[in-house]
Amino acid sequence: GAVVSQHPSWVICKSGTSVKIECRSLDFQATTMFWYRQFPKQSLMLMATSNEGSKATYEQGVEKDKFLINHASLTLSTLTVTSAHPEDSSFYICSARPELGNQPQHFGDGTRLSIL
Amino acid sequence: DAKTTQPPSMDCAEGRAANLPCNHSTISGNEYVYWYRQIHSQGPQYIIHGLKNNETNEMASLIITEDRKSSTLILPHATLRDTAVYYCIVRVPNTGNQFYFGTGTSLTVIP
Repeated sequence: GAVVSQHPSWVICKSGTSVKIECRSLDFQATTMFWYRQFPKQSLMLMATSNEGSKATYEQGVEKDKFLINHASLTLSTLTVTSAHPEDSSFYICSARPELGNQPQHFGDGTRLSIL
Repeated sequence: DAKTTQPPSMDCAEGRAANLPCNHSTISGNEYVYWYRQIHSQGPQYIIHGLKNNETNEMASLIITEDRKSSTLILPHATLRDTAVYYCIVRVPNTGNQFYFGTGTSLTVIP
């Protein structure tokens, strides 16, 4: 079945640094991918829609200059958390759906980000 | 997108059927019902989806009421590994496909 891979699975870094998270669709192409954030004991919150070859669409309240999204190919989207601070510590998850047919969204296994 | 309402938590004895309800009274005619689950510290896992007919796969069964205002996910023989948060989402497929997650149902399977 369709597989979505995220890398890294966890990262710890110092406050003020930038962190890049990759999301790949391994066996299908996706013109659209999605990025979510999840805080402990809460549900997933959609942050933005990543569009191949064009600008991402951000949900209300999500800073586009803080969370940079690049979708340069049909199988790769990246999320960069710029100048990360402890409040950015969270579980970041991406998803994608095969273009053909009525197939469901598939999610990556998430990236645990901890900012010290 | 139609909002969904699920009970916050449920328990189920191991080996018994787990029946997880979901209300989606404002669902529109072309919206599908999707079920996902999230085991702790993992990404959501797709379970099943349907439009109006009941559906079954190797993981679960999905029962949708005739008026489509509610549905039930059935795990026929729950195991300890089925302990997870289960999310019911309604969405029109092939249209941008953003999934907005509600709070879900935290299912605990008890030995």
